[in-house]
Amino acid sequence: ELKVEQNPLFLSMQEGKNYTIYCNYSTTSDRLYWYRQDPGKSLESLFVLLSNGAVKQEGRLMASLDTKARLSTLHITAAVHDLSATYFCATRHGGNQFYFGTGTSLTVIP
Amino acid sequence: GAVVSQHPSWVICKSGTSVKIECRSLDFQATTMFWYRQFPKQSLMLMATSNEGSKATYEQGVEKDKFLINHASLTLSTLTVTSAHPEDSSFYICSARSRESHNEQFFGPGTRLTVL
Repeated sequence: ELKVEQNPLFLSMQEGKNYTIYCNYSTTSDRLYWYRQDPGKSLESLFVLLSNGAVKQEGRLMASLDTKARLSTLHITAAVHDLSATYFCATRHGGNQFYFGTGTSLTVIP
Repeated sequence: GAVVSQHPSWVICKSGTSVKIECRSLDFQATTMFWYRQFPKQSLMLMATSNEGSKATYEQGVEKDKFLINHASLTLSTLTVTSAHPEDSSFYICSARSRESHNEQFFGPGTRLTVL
């Protein structure tokens, strides 16, 4: 059974701190995505990771992929309030279907 | 970039009525579109895969007679929730796959359905 699990599910952190969100998946995937979702809104694409060892950074967010461990991380550096949102990872299989992680709800406290 | 729109953004209907949601790819052709459902504070669950000109493929546990999908053209897929009930209230998100963008999927803004 294909599973995509995120850890933690809920995260509250102070501004200026660092933290890492983990995404584990159970079956080989051809790519890994990270999305941001604000309340009542759809998904905003953050990163697409294509191969083992891939690392991408945008502002205070950095994503990495270890296909051997079937693990992706989303690292938050010096968090700011604007980063408060729910973050989803998703894997793509067979070039077609997406499977979404459980989501991590992040609240950054001033 | 590839843009996907949904209409309506928000709909409230009475129990027992049917509601149609449209998903359009605005600047690309989408041979495949996907429909997801998201309950509050939960992840997205794939409901069905819609292929232009053929029948949709439904995920296990999704009633095809209740959630009618029509992919009549390369830019439009519709989801009709028939005889809607309060438990169908959810956020419905579509995505469209773009061949021009290496088969990446682009997500619509979502439709919030509330059934009274």
